[in-house]
Amino acid sequence: SAVISQKPSRDICQRGTSLTIQCQVDSQVTMMFWYRQQPGQSLTLIATANQGSEATYESGFVIDKFPISRPNLTFSTLTVSNMSPEDSSIYLCSASRDRVGELFFGEGSRLTVL
Amino acid sequence: DQQVKQNSPSLSVQEGRISILNCDYTNSMFDYFLWYKKYPAEGPTFLISISSIKDKNEDGRFTVFLNKSAKHLSLHIVPSQPGDSAVYFCAASYSGGGADGLTFGKGTHLIIQP
Repeated sequence: SAVISQKPSRDICQRGTSLTIQCQVDSQVTMMFWYRQQPGQSLTLIATANQGSEATYESGFVIDKFPISRPNLTFSTLTVSNMSPEDSSIYLCSASRDRVGELFFGEGSRLTVL
Repeated sequence: DQQVKQNSPSLSVQEGRISILNCDYTNSMFDYFLWYKKYPAEGPTFLISISSIKDKNEDGRFTVFLNKSAKHLSLHIVPSQPGDSAVYFCAASYSGGGADGLTFGKGTHLIIQP
């Protein structure tokens, strides 16, 4: 297994500002992902964080809005840019050692945008 | 278009009885299925998985059944215990998907009543 730590665990943000969420894994992992869970919805994949290169974004998500970094095999950041109330959500970092295996999740970062 | 569907937002079961959580999928390319359990303010944790080459996988009180022809899987918990009260997410992936992470359903909130 892998232990994933995210910070901040929660934050209240003003409209138009940006916030960076950090994700630290306690061991090297192959894959890292960022998910979003909006109220009453499923976990939706935002992007795959690629080590040393640009992230791979899912349909509906763009780099300008959600820039992602992954400088090494254990750390990644997700920035939510120019936030609006619609960005209020739980953002989850996850990691996997297998291409199709189970994912390990952080505890999530709950963002509220006023 | 939701590829993984959990049509019951919530399910209430008496302690000691069997809990059955259902999940349907539409993408015939999915060949690996997982169940995750999520407590409030925590990230999802992996519970059990099944490959499409099997129709049943058992782990202690948890059994997952897969019916490929119906594109349906179910999670059985027996006997149900108070600590099983949580949100359960069904997830799917396919081996060709590589770095695409998992596709999740919206979750079913299981409530175990004493």
